[in-house]
Order: sequence, then C-alpha cells, then structure tokens
Amino acid sequence: GDSVTQMEGPVTLSEEAFLTINCTYTATGYPSLFWYVQYPGEGLQLLLKATKADDKGSNKGFEATYRKETTSFHLEKGSVQVSDSAVYFCALSDQVLGNNRKLIWGLGTSLAVNP
Amino acid sequence: NAGVTQTPKFQVLKTGQSMTLQCAQDMNHEYMSWYRQDPGMGLRLIHYSVGAGITDQGEVPNGYNVSRSTTEDFPLRLLSAAPSQTSVYFCASSSRQREAFFGQGTRLTVV
Repeated sequence: GDSVTQMEGPVTLSEEAFLTINCTYTATGYPSLFWYVQYPGEGLQLLLKATKADDKGSNKGFEATYRKETTSFHLEKGSVQVSDSAVYFCALSDQVLGNNRKLIWGLGTSLAVNP
Repeated sequence: NAGVTQTPKFQVLKTGQSMTLQCAQDMNHEYMSWYRQDPGMGLRLIHYSVGAGITDQGEVPNGYNVSRSTTEDFPLRLLSAAPSQTSVYFCASSSRQREAFFGQGTRLTVV
C-alpha cells in the first residue's frame, strides 16, 4: 500500500540556519502531497501542498517540490526562526470512494530552533 | 469561524469506563476522521466517514465506535476504556480535493 517515510528527529538548529526535512513516498497512483505543522499543544495545520509532479508548494518561507522521479517531497527553509519550533508531518492523499480523500502520514519530525 | 471543535480538551478515565469524544465542524465537509497520536507512532487513523450515515474502519478501530447522523457531527465512543487508549485524539474534516482541518485535540488518560 501507499506509505510515507520522513527523516527521524529531533532536529536541532540555531536561528537563521538552513532547514531540510526529507520525505519520500510510495504510491500506486498520482497522489497529492502535503506538509502539516503541529505547534506545541495544538492540532495540525496545513503548511503547504503540491498536487502534481514538479509543483512547488510554498508558505511562510517554507518550500517543497513534488519530485516524481525520486518520489520525494523534501521540506526546506532558508533561515529558520525560534517560532518554527514544531513537529512537521509529511502526508499524501489516497483516494477512497471516489474523490474523497484519506491521508497517509509520516511519523513526524520534531524541530527545535535555538536562539 | 469555528472550524473543527473537539470536546473535552482533557479527560481522565478509569479502566472500564465509557465516554464519548465530541467533534463538530461547521464547514459542510463530507469527510471526517478520527486519529490518535502517540509518541513515535505518528498519526493513526481510527475511523472515518465520507458522509452522513457512512462510516468505515481505519488502522486501529478496536475499542472504538463512531456514528455520523449529521454532516456536522462525528462522535467517537470508547466502549470500555483501557490504559492502552491513553493518547491524544484528533478529529479532522475535509472536502473534496481540499486539505484536512484539525481540531485542537483531546488528551485522554486512562488509569
């Protein structure tokens, strides 16, 4: 079945450092890909998404490109801030019963940014 | 602008007790789901629903029941709580081709 693998954490960086969180997937069809972020004590919220190959999703300085040839969707940010400290989840959509979407999740990567 | 509302936020149960976690959304989304989040396990799907009157099992359905009598509400019932059900529970909803919106979570402890 479909699956998502993301790099294990925790990741600890200094402020203004470059961030990469790796995410690879296996899927039989043409899924959409997502990055969600979970701040401490909160629910998950969508950070960015890409719906087809070569699409680049971006938001709040984060970017990820849908690479079909390497089945990857790595999350990057050029200069992290303390406020980016959170858990990041990579996910892909799976289609059940027509257009309704079921999400397949990675295990999450915890990021801590030190001042 | 409520989105997805979960209640309660915190709950402590004794082994064997039953309870219902409430979830309501005001976005007219067809798709709703319940997840549990445990350290090192990521998010695991418990049950989901693709519309009123339609529910199905996810990865870890044992010990939980759901129903979907209206589009807005999707309660999760714990039939006889066990310590293994200590977890953080999230409800989510989505519409066709759109991202999932999550509630704030319910932190459940079973003693």
